[in-house]
Amino acid sequence: GAGVSQSPSNKVTEKGKDVELRCDPISGHTALYWYRQSLGQGLEFLIYFQGNSAPDKSGLPSDRFSAERTGGSVSTLTIQRTQQEDSAVYLCASSWEAGGRDTQYFGPGTRLTVL
Amino acid sequence: SQQGEEDPQALSIQEGENATMNCSYKTSINNLQWYRQNSGRGLVHLILIRSNEREKHSGRLRVTLDTSKKSSSLLITASRAADTASYFCATVSRRQKLVFGQGTRLTINP
Repeated sequence: GAGVSQSPSNKVTEKGKDVELRCDPISGHTALYWYRQSLGQGLEFLIYFQGNSAPDKSGLPSDRFSAERTGGSVSTLTIQRTQQEDSAVYLCASSWEAGGRDTQYFGPGTRLTVL
Repeated sequence: SQQGEEDPQALSIQEGENATMNCSYKTSINNLQWYRQNSGRGLVHLILIRSNEREKHSGRLRVTLDTSKKSSSLLITASRAADTASYFCATVSRRQKLVFGQGTRLTINP
């Protein structure tokens, strides 16, 4: 079946603009994760959704970052007033089970460049 | 902060040789997972080993887990050029989410 999809694949924006990144998880997966990966670095956890529970937002770097997951499926990560340090690849992943007890399936990522 | 730390940061070997990468972590875990990343984009899950397991195999991959030393190793046997990628270990943190290390960049030379 279809894997995790993300859009856009690339986004170039000017400093100070808002951006929205979209993630379509695998159908039926209850858990959805957002990560950020700067050039040559590991993955930095941002936020985690599990079913109808309150999301774990502990990884969001500032209040300019927010995310929502509508209807337990599609998720949108919003970055307001983008800064150059926000430039990175933003990866979304989903899994059947919560809490890291199951394989995470990753999307191809969105490469964000803030000029 | 990162939970898993891979060692070495970069590894370059000849095709056909075996590649070993290590991962150390700090807190108790439910499981440890290894992922591969090509071209800096999406990650692909390789193998999951649970805390009560010591060794697991999948094709040319062999993963070991030593919970007393809080470490794991990933062995790729008979390496191929297509194995060139970055390899990450990930552990389940107290907050019940995967925490990734910085990764090992593996280069297989033909």
